[in-house]
Amino acid sequence: QSVLTQPPSVSGTPGQRVTISCSGSSSNIGNNYVYWYRQFPGRAPTVLMYRNNKRPSGVPDRFSGSKSGTSASLAISGLRSEDEADYYCATWHDSLTSPSWVFGGGTKLTVL
Amino acid sequence: EVQLVESGGDLVQSGGSLRLSCAASGFRFSEYWMHWVRQAPGKGLVWVARINHHGNDATYADAVKGRFTISRDNAETTVYLQMDSLGAEDSAVYYCARGDHDIVTDYYYYGMDVWGQGTTVHVSS
Repeated sequence: QSVLTQPPSVSGTPGQRVTISCSGSSSNIGNNYVYWYRQFPGRAPTVLMYRNNKRPSGVPDRFSGSKSGTSASLAISGLRSEDEADYYCATWHDSLTSPSWVFGGGTKLTVL
Repeated sequence: EVQLVESGGDLVQSGGSLRLSCAASGFRFSEYWMHWVRQAPGKGLVWVARINHHGNDATYADAVKGRFTISRDNAETTVYLQMDSLGAEDSAVYYCARGDHDIVTDYYYYGMDVWGQGTTVHVSS
């Protein structure tokens, strides 16, 4: 059970806009930057969004990130078949005893 | 080109030890924190450990604290993960990842921006 909650799956049709939510608390998302990673089957994860809403070079502007309070979202517009992958949110979790980096459980995006 | 190449994954018996390596190239290794992240078959990503750029400060996930040790050799641009007292629950693909560092402001963020391709550890009981 992750401290960051993501929907297990989302789906959309080509051209549609979908969002993936990531819910946390004041101990993690509320006070730290959020990162988003994408993972294709059998491949290593790659960063899709860093420091809440910054896109690495090479990531199209169809992808956008936002954060509000203790939640974050990844939006994908103009959905394409090649967007089908697993998406993970992640952030630092502040704790006096066990500070750690935490990932959400992951969301499988299906393009119908 | 920034590159991280993991090695050392193997089949090991429960209770055994293994050392993973991650060779870095294409960037100033000594200016970046490094992380290890693992993923059990069919499961999500789980952070394992982090080490600062000097190599004198490390943080661990509760699940590995006291059993795993992260270290680095900046001269060899390599980060290591020494894994002892291995159990079946440690079976996973292990990825090394570079920490997010703004070289302009010299600020170190906790996130990761570049990942290796992973190395597989299988612990047999």
